[in-house]
Amino acid sequence: DGGITQSPKYLFRKEGQNVTLSCEQNLNHDAMYWYRQDPGQGLRLIYYSQIVNDFQKGDIAEGYSVSREKKESFPLTVTSAQKNPTAFYLCASSRWGLDGELFFGEGSRLTVL
Amino acid sequence: SQQGEEDPQALSIQEGENATMNCSYKTSINNLQWYRQNSGRGLVHLILIRSNEREKHSGRLRVTLDTSKKSSSLLITASRAADTASYFCATDGGSSNTGKLIFGQGTTLQVKP
Repeated sequence: DGGITQSPKYLFRKEGQNVTLSCEQNLNHDAMYWYRQDPGQGLRLIYYSQIVNDFQKGDIAEGYSVSREKKESFPLTVTSAQKNPTAFYLCASSRWGLDGELFFGEGSRLTVL
Repeated sequence: SQQGEEDPQALSIQEGENATMNCSYKTSINNLQWYRQNSGRGLVHLILIRSNEREKHSGRLRVTLDTSKKSSSLLITASRAADTASYFCATDGGSSNTGKLIFGQGTTLQVKP
């Protein structure tokens, strides 16, 4: 079945460590997104990519990095520069130019110890 | 930045009752979308309404849009315990063809059996 796969589902990190969250989609979507969700809050956009080898910062990009080397993959690295990284991270994708309906993965929960 | 503001933040009803959630936004839009999120899971797209539409139905869902008031409402009729979830509105902020959505903080709905 087509969809978006995020891994790992749960991740624990020590302070000062970088971690990479995986996001893979087999929907043949051009655009991919990373959102952060804090408890009881809405989603905030970290980075998005509309095409391979190109990506743009969202509202809260500081302390995060991404790459888009393949259409199917959009990994997110949470660096040690991110001061408050404990959160629920959601990856999404959409077809280009078709009203932007997003398809989401099941999320990755990162906890900094 | 938060575009949508949902109201109420939390709603508790009995099975069989109707649930109404409201969303207000700040900028012009091309479309407004509603999503559902079960606890600890990814978001699922429910319905999209375009700026030139006033009302849209999908099963037990009814969405209205008032662009003059910059507001939308989601009505779930004959609610079921399985409707228990958080509901988010999202807008494109007037940008087209990017799929970049701005989410509100959500309404948490509890349907008691």
